[in-house]
Amino acid sequence: GAGVSQSPSNKVTEKGKDVELRCDPISGHTALYWYRQSLGQGLEFLIYFQGNSAPDKSGLPSDRFSAERTGGSVSTLTIQRTQQEDSAVYLCASSLSRGWTEAFFGQGTRLTVV
Amino acid sequence: KNEVEQSPQNLTAQEGEFITINCSYSVGISALHWLQQHPGGGIVSLFMLSSGKKKHGRLIATINIQEKHSSLHITASHPRDSAVYICAPFNNFNKFYFGSGTKLNVKP
Repeated sequence: GAGVSQSPSNKVTEKGKDVELRCDPISGHTALYWYRQSLGQGLEFLIYFQGNSAPDKSGLPSDRFSAERTGGSVSTLTIQRTQQEDSAVYLCASSLSRGWTEAFFGQGTRLTVV
Repeated sequence: KNEVEQSPQNLTAQEGEFITINCSYSVGISALHWLQQHPGGGIVSLFMLSSGKKKHGRLIATINIQEKHSSLHITASHPRDSAVYICAPFNNFNKFYFGSGTKLNVKP
């Protein structure tokens, strides 16, 4: 497809389990962002990848959260030892490289930790 | 302190009314998105602008970089405009900042 693709669309997991969320950005987009949106809350920045530069991890809420981007394309967000407060919609967006540009969002992964 | 402040947080309007949503930000930016999030969560970018004014149909967005302020206007509002509108400025390194959103409900 031509848009940002995220998988799975829904994930229910037990507290304490690890989860992996995947984002396929638009081809050629060098910038990739992960955000999350808890119920009733605004968007919260998690991590930002730009080309081959070191990612901006300043938004990751704890060391249980990590993300990687392989080959400058697909990204995986991993949450270890999930907690109930991790329940949220995790959104991925991508954009072209620097300069003012549009960001395109995926449909998100709804994570529920029970 | 929030880098991006939106107002109002909630807005109820009657169909046909003119609507304004405001966004003020404290960070240095290169441009700004106005995003729309419908119930169900999908987010789309309505506008990206770095100066002046843009118009798409009934939607108008303006930005004043010097004053660090942007507005989104909806003319002749319609129930299908009901959504959350999010201001999202970004800097020269393409780091985005997000407002908390304005929840708009347009009643028929």
